[in-house]
Formats: sequence, C-alpha cells, structure tokens
Amino acid sequence: DVKVTQSSRYLVKRTGEKVFLECVQDMDHENMFWYRQDPGLGLRLIYFSYDVKMKEKGDIPEGYSVSREKKERFSLILESASTNQTSMYLCASSLLTSEAFFGQGTRLTVV
Amino acid sequence: TQLLEQSPQFLSIQEGENLTVYCNSSSVFSSLQWYRQEPGEGPVLLVTVVTGGEVKKLKRLTFQFGDARKDSSLHITAAQPGDTGLYLCAGAEAGSYQLTFGKGTKLSVIP
Repeated sequence: DVKVTQSSRYLVKRTGEKVFLECVQDMDHENMFWYRQDPGLGLRLIYFSYDVKMKEKGDIPEGYSVSREKKERFSLILESASTNQTSMYLCASSLLTSEAFFGQGTRLTVV
Repeated sequence: TQLLEQSPQFLSIQEGENLTVYCNSSSVFSSLQWYRQEPGEGPVLLVTVVTGGEVKKLKRLTFQFGDARKDSSLHITAAQPGDTGLYLCAGAEAGSYQLTFGKGTKLSVIP
C-alpha cells in the first residue's frame, strides 16, 4: 500500500515564525501536491511538483514556498506564518495518473 | 479553473436508508474520482471513473459518470453508520495530473 506520511498531526506556531511541513511518500511517485482544507472552501491546491527540483504554483501559492530535493520528500514552507494560514494541510502523491494518495493531514494553528 | 459543484452539502439520514450525492460541472473531465474523508484524516480514494456512462460498484456504493463526462453521482444503498464521513469528488482535465475538488458532502448516518 502507498504510504504518505506527514511529519506532524498538530502544530501550533506564532505569527511571524517560519514553519516547515514535511511530507514523505514511499512508493516512488513522480507527482506530489500540497493542499489546504478550510470549512466551506474545500481543498485548494497550494503547490505541486512533477519531479525533483521542479515546482508549479497552484491556486493559492501566496505566502508559501516548497522544496523537493529528493523524489520522496516534498516540503511546504510558510516563510512568515500568519493567522490566516491556520488550516488543515494535506500532502498527496500520485504516479502517472491523477489518482491521489493523501497523508493524514497536519492541523496548523497560528496564534 | 474548472469548478465542481457537489450537492447536497450536508445529509443526515437514518441507518438503512438510501441516498444519492451529486457532482456537477460545466466542464468536461477526462476522469473523475470519489474520495471519503473521516474527521482528522486525509481523504481516501474510493473509485475512479473514466468513460462516459460508466458505472462502478463498491459493495453498497454505486458510482456513475455522466455520458458527457461533466457530472457524476454516488448512490449508497442501506446506509450504515460506518458510511459517515465527508465525500469528495475530484476531476482531472485531459493530460493533467492536477485535480479540481468539489467542496464535499458531509454525510451522517444515525444508528
């Protein structure tokens, strides 16, 4: 079975902090994605990557950056956390189809 | 950005009842997927449909892709409390691994 693991289930950070969310997949998938999920807004794509060192902006990239130095790892970075970035963050991976396998999610609270 | 509209947003039914959830768009998708998400967890893929008119069954769940590949439905027969969760549809454009998600239908099955 595909396993996508996010480094933390819950995080509490202060406004202005630099925050790293880590995601690792163990199935050699080419594609990796970061979403945020908010009530009433659904899942919104922040960034995605089709290959190592490649990244593409999604629908809401402002305030975020990503890093993919190794195929199995995709990191989401909040350069200076703000309260409006409080959300559930979901990482996903896929092979050569659109079928996505998700991690368990990280619930981030920025205070 | 293509949009997927799901209805209803919320559904609360008694155990044993049948229900149908709808996913509609004005755009054509090359494939459409259904996911189920439980509270505090990431979405889990249930099924992918790719051919217009296609019907797939997963135990008591029946998924249908519209003939024009713009809409889909999920029918649950004799709902069980274990069916409780957030049901998400997601579509992919031709040649893309990127998914557009609906906002979801939150289903509660009362014992």
